[in-house]
Amino acid sequence: EVQLVESGGGLVQPGRSLRLSCRGSGFTFGDYVMTWFRQAPGKGLEWVGFIRSKAYGGTTEYAASVKGRFTISRDDSKSIAYLEMNSLKTEDTAVYYCATPYDPNYDAFDIWGQGTMVTVSS
Amino acid sequence: SYELTQPPSVSVSPGQTARITCSGDALPKQYAYWYQQKPGQAPVLVIYKDSERPSGIPERFSGSSSGTTVTLTISGVQAEDEADYYCQSTDSSETWVFGGGTKLTVL
Repeated sequence: EVQLVESGGGLVQPGRSLRLSCRGSGFTFGDYVMTWFRQAPGKGLEWVGFIRSKAYGGTTEYAASVKGRFTISRDDSKSIAYLEMNSLKTEDTAVYYCATPYDPNYDAFDIWGQGTMVTVSS
Repeated sequence: SYELTQPPSVSVSPGQTARITCSGDALPKQYAYWYQQKPGQAPVLVIYKDSERPSGIPERFSGSSSGTTVTLTISGVQAEDEADYYCQSTDSSETWVFGGGTKLTVL
């Protein structure tokens, strides 16, 4: 079964850092772009950023709201993508999802993790 | 920054047809995608490339596009279709944008 599982969420103080993980299984993780989204409580979905596969340079793109504070990386040997979040703000409080466009026919995010909650509060 | 606009809510009775619109200036040039999200769950892809339905999605879900507006249509709405629906697209700048979401209520 193709699956993504996030972990690492929790309560963190403003200004501190947190690293989320997204572990893939059931597919060749290194062949796929890995994307992070978030959803603040009671709000809509927001794209955070993505990391391309090594075949496409492994480069990253970020939303303006997190650029310079968040960093996405990947360890294909472990089938894990990371979201390193620095200088956290209360407005970063959200459920964080990782997702990937698994089926090439769809060219859309058809595989999502279950999400991990991040609460930024003093 | 690029925006996609959806109505906040749509209400229909069971068996009726629900239509949820999404407007954006780049939609004539970029595909739109639709996701269904139920409380406490991750989003599920229900329409891709404006009008295609993924495997496993019921036939009552369909999509269409006209100019700067795309529409998700659910024919013969069932109680289980009550959820939030989000459109997603891009303005070609390698960034993904979602509409604000539409809460579908089945009366």
